[in-house]
Amino acid sequence: EAQVTQNPRYLITVTGKKLTVTCSQNMNHEYMSWYRQDPGLGLRQIYYSMNVEVTDKGDVPEGYKVSRKEKRNFPLILESPSPNQTSLYFCASSLSGGGGEVFFGSGTQLSVL
Amino acid sequence: EDKVVQSPLSLVVHEGDTVTLNCSYEVTNFRSLLWYKQEKKAPTFLFMLTSSGIEKKSGRLSSILDKKELFSILNITATQTGDSAIYLCAVRPGFVSSNYKLTFGKGTLLTVNP
Repeated sequence: EAQVTQNPRYLITVTGKKLTVTCSQNMNHEYMSWYRQDPGLGLRQIYYSMNVEVTDKGDVPEGYKVSRKEKRNFPLILESPSPNQTSLYFCASSLSGGGGEVFFGSGTQLSVL
Repeated sequence: EDKVVQSPLSLVVHEGDTVTLNCSYEVTNFRSLLWYKQEKKAPTFLFMLTSSGIEKKSGRLSSILDKKELFSILNITATQTGDSAIYLCAVRPGFVSSNYKLTFGKGTLLTVNP
């Protein structure tokens, strides 16, 4: 089944403790990105990747890192999480950046205490 | 900066009603407009629109794009309680952009009461 898999689904952590949210897609998609969703603000892009080893900042990249060492994986790294990073996170992928359906993972609800 | 505005923000209807959700946009270089339904978590894809005036239809849902007036509508006929969700509209820029990010509206929360 074609899908974008994120883990974990829920995560509660404390300020400053490094964490990684994993994202993997099995559709051989080139384009992957991370969004966060906050009440009243909607979905905003954090980082994106056009292909392996090609990543760049989205609208709200502060406090996040990403890597794209393999085509299928695009982990989101929070080196020192803070409470303002409490949010619902989505990984998304599409065959290419400019066209086709964009598939979303099932989301990671992160709470930073 | 690209901008997407959805209206209404919230809507409560009874089963069987027909609803129209609106999405207007401003984007530097338009390529496509996408509609998503978000129930519990992940947005699920409904439609992608690239050309004006061509209606996309799936069961009781349909959508159309007007590239001259920069808006799209999503219609749901004979609504059911299972249609209750947040409906998201997003625009994607064209090839001149280095980032094909989706710019989302804030969504319309639809509640269908039995």
